[in-house]
Order: sequence, then structure tokens, then C-alpha cells
Amino acid sequence: NAGVTQTPKFRILKIGQSMTLQCTQDMNHNYMYWYRQDPGMGLKLIYYSVGAGITDKGEVPNGYNVSRSTTEDFPLRLELAAPSQTSVYFCASSRTEISFWAFFGQGTRLTVV
Amino acid sequence: AQKVTQAQTEISVVEKEDVTLDCVYETRDTTYYLFWYKQPPSGELVFLIRRNSFDEQNEISGRYSWNFQKSTSSFNFTITASQVVDSAVYFCALSEVSGGGADGLTFGKGTHLIIQP
Repeated sequence: NAGVTQTPKFRILKIGQSMTLQCTQDMNHNYMYWYRQDPGMGLKLIYYSVGAGITDKGEVPNGYNVSRSTTEDFPLRLELAAPSQTSVYFCASSRTEISFWAFFGQGTRLTVV
Repeated sequence: AQKVTQAQTEISVVEKEDVTLDCVYETRDTTYYLFWYKQPPSGELVFLIRRNSFDEQNEISGRYSWNFQKSTSSFNFTITASQVVDSAVYFCALSEVSGGGADGLTFGKGTHLIIQP
């Protein structure tokens, strides 16, 4: 069981560059989420999706975009990277019932310089 | 709006001591879920426990125990006979049912637990 897989694990971007963080899950979960974790802080929700073709903004969506063309994949796109986007990014998935909240990816550490 | 407060930023204890991590939450929902996650130095998030708002029974799992008190909106986590491997950042989190899970988890800022040998 792969669970939730994120790539890459580490990335350094220059200001103004763009990139896509990949997230895929093999558990057929409808719900998928992107969080960011800043130093000394808890995780904050960027975007979420309740199923293929449906996405919505979380608490901190500015500077990001997502798409959900399949149940398995939920990529996060950074356009025009800024130093404020230096963070660790976590993708998560869950079954429809909110009680099953155990599946997080390994995280992607992004530095924007 | 929901909120989770972990007032202890960092705790340092000597190995074999017991330690309690505090978590206080705010929510308007009557039905919600509370969680604890462990984040070791390697960075991944490890799920520890999930508790729904209707189940106030305390839970024990090995050296770990959780005390859920709705009257004080607290969900505290105790490690008995701590070990160096328990050193990590621990997060408490809340999920409200009214959102259907769609708005995800609200996390506290975490407590950095240091277990000294």
C-alpha cells in the first residue's frame, strides 16, 4: 500500500519561477487536501477537493492553484514563486466520512530564494 | 470558527518522566473529531488518535493516554515513562462535522517535546 505519495521531497525555486507539487493516492479516497506548514506553526489548509472535478479554497489559497482531473491525483501549482511560499507542503486524503483522517503524504520542503 | 490552542510551545523532560501535552479547542459544533499527530524530526506526520465528541471515554495505548473533557474543551495527551524516541513535535487538531470534512483539519501550533537521556 503506497498511501499518499508526494513528489518531490525537496525543491529550491528562484523568485518568480513556477512549479507543480505532485500528490497521488491509491486508496480511492474522494477527499484530498493540501496544507502548508510554516516553521513553528501548525498546518494551514491551502486547497481541498471533495472529488474529481471539484476543488475549493482553504484558509491560505493565494499564490496557488489546484486541479483534480482524477480521483487519484491532486497537484498543487505555484505560479510566480515568492519567498513567503517557503514552507513544507503536505498532501492528505480521506474517505468521504471525516472520521478517517489518518493519511498524510511525506511532505515537500520548498525553499524560494 | 474553530480554534485549537496548544499553549506549551516546548517541553523538556528527562527520560522516564511522565509528561502531559495540553490541548484546548473551540468549536460551535456539537459533533466534531479531535486528533493527535506526532511529527518526528524526519518530518512526516504520524496519526496517533482520533476521538469523536460523543465519546468522552479516556483511552490508553501502551505508554500513551488521552484525557478528553468536553466540560473544559480539552483533549490532553500524556506519555508515561517517556523515552528519547518520543522526542517530536505533537499536534492536536479538530475537524467539525458540519463542514462534512470538506474544510479539513484545524491544527494547533504544536508542542515540541524534548526527552533528554
